[in-house]
Amino acid sequence: QVQLEQSGPEVKKPGASVKVSCKASGYIFEGYYIHWVRQAPGQGLEWMGWISPNVGGTNYAPKFKGRVTMTRDTSINTVYMELTSLRSDDTAIYYCAKDTTVMVNNWFDPWGQGTLVTVSS
Amino acid sequence: EVVLTQSPATLSLSPGERATLSCRASQSVSSNLAWYQQKPGQAPRLLIFDASNRATGIPTRFSGSGSGTDFTLTISSLEPEDFAVYYCQQRTNWPPGYTFGQGTKLEIK
Repeated sequence: QVQLEQSGPEVKKPGASVKVSCKASGYIFEGYYIHWVRQAPGQGLEWMGWISPNVGGTNYAPKFKGRVTMTRDTSINTVYMELTSLRSDDTAIYYCAKDTTVMVNNWFDPWGQGTLVTVSS
Repeated sequence: EVVLTQSPATLSLSPGERATLSCRASQSVSSNLAWYQQKPGQAPRLLIFDASNRATGIPTRFSGSGSGTDFTLTISSLEPEDFAVYYCQQRTNWPPGYTFGQGTKLEIK
């Protein structure tokens, strides 16, 4: 079945960077966009951007442009999300999610289990 | 940016009752709207896409309706496992992107 397995929790200091991985299995990796969404403690969902594993093209939400980079390694069916210049309000669970439709951006299903990133001095 | 406003913020109902959740967009999104369910400690799950289509494996008691700026998620008869937080999400073609509503918490009365 389709699965997205994310890397483990991270604790970072303000100003540092974090890189979260998302390993896909159970489907043709290059065929579906991967989205990243974050959720601050007790808060709602915030879309960060997507990557097309096929060509590596990306689209970032305006709020994160300049601070986020999404990449992929097709040899191991894994995408990465790196966020730089971390602040305390970047503390959140970061989710990856597979798009529902081949080769276009549509809806998100399924989601990874989430990675908690804590930013604290 | 399209802003989605969900109402109510919290809905208190009993099992077996009908739940009606609302999502209003600040401008027309046509039918480019989805609904997700999130239970505590879990990732969200897609329920409804393109405003009215149930995702794979979603029970028929869940239904979505609406287009343009006003959308509704209806749960016809609540089961104990339906008590969760529900988010609506819209997709914009240009510039390409997504926004989520702030969520509606469906709690047991």
